Parts: sequence; C-alpha cells; structure tokens
Amino acid sequence: DTAVSQTPKYLVTQMGNDKSIKCEQNLGHDTMYWYKQDSKKFLKIMFSYNNKELIINETVPNRFSPKSPDKAHLNLHINSLELGDSAVYFCASSQARGGRNTEAFFGQGTRLTVV
Amino acid sequence: DQQVKQNSPSLSVQEGRISILNCDYTNSMFDYFLWYKKYPAEGPTFLISISSIKDKNEDGRFTVFLNKSAKHLSLHIVPSQPGDSAVYFCAALGGGADGLTFGKGTHLIIQP
Repeated sequence: DTAVSQTPKYLVTQMGNDKSIKCEQNLGHDTMYWYKQDSKKFLKIMFSYNNKELIINETVPNRFSPKSPDKAHLNLHINSLELGDSAVYFCASSQARGGRNTEAFFGQGTRLTVV
Repeated sequence: DQQVKQNSPSLSVQEGRISILNCDYTNSMFDYFLWYKKYPAEGPTFLISISSIKDKNEDGRFTVFLNKSAKHLSLHIVPSQPGDSAVYFCAALGGGADGLTFGKGTHLIIQP
C-alpha cells in the first residue's frame, strides 16, 4: 500500500541510451512532480504536473520529458543520457488545498548511474 | 543563489537532549515552510510544516518556529531519540516556484 512508488530503484546504463523511470501514486493527489538530487545532495524540482498543465524548471534539458498516461502516473523519460545525469531522481505528489499545493509525498528514489 | 539555506551540514546531539535544526531563507514570497526527514536510500518523509501567518507549530516531540522578520525557521526535537538520526531538509513553498525549494540538509546524529 505504498503511497508513491517508483521503479526501478537502481538503474545503470551507458551514455547515449534512452531510459524511463516510472512513478505511480495511490493518494488521489492531483499534482505530481519529479525532483533531482545531485552529487552535492541538492534536491531540486524538475517538473510539476497536474491534469491541466506542465511546469518545467527552465534548467532542465529538453532530453528530459515527463509523460502522464493518467492522473496517478507520471513517468520520466530521458533521451541520450549523459554522465552528468547521474543522480537520484525522486517522484512526488501533493494535493492542492485552497488553490495551492501543500506538502508533497515522495517516492523512495531511483539512483541513476550513467557509465 | 540558494534561497533556502541550512548552514550546518551535520549536528550531533545526545539522546534525550534537545535537537535544534536551523534554516534561513532569502525569498520573502515564501509563505509555507516544511521539514522533511530522510533516511539513506529512502525518499524524504514529511515531518511538520508551518504557514507564514504563524510563528509556531507543534506536533508531539517536534516544534517548528518561524521568525519572519529574520527569515529564519528552526525545528526543535525534544527529547531526541536514536531513531531521529537522519538528514533533515528544510523546504519552502511559494516564491514563484511551483514545487518545493529545498535546503541542502542537515545530518542529525543522535548519540546514545
């Protein structure tokens, strides 16, 4: 009965490959996110998505694209992987209250290693 | 340009004593603040939050204080327990960003 689950937990792949990370939430939340934790341990938002709009952090390369087949899923696709993409990626979700998003619930993270 | 700063990378506290974790922010448009706890190889877990219209919020052993004029918040844990050993992230909502803006985290170590 995991609230936010993402797969795989670990992903090792070669430079230039295309990969996907899946995320599902069973909380009924209407907003989902992808965050990246880099080697310096900074947690930074990459995308925010609800069924109305996608908001992209301007620093995210366009090789990264979120895909949402339905409200409970937000998958992360990465094309032409680079060494610098190695990081831990966290999916999260939150429910809007009073017209704004509140606390987010996180998945366990996917450690991506590009070799 | 870190908008949320946690200047102590680590903090060591004896079991049973009070742990105080600090956080400073620069964006005056932030209007909601949160603390998350993170164990290794797990995602951050929401701990406690505070709206900018309040100066204190308490939940069991955890209390968050907000000083808006100083743009400073702190998390107090009392009494500290071994299971509290984790990395604690301060985060903020608002300020023009759609998601959470995180600090770099403070690694809290509770010593027996």
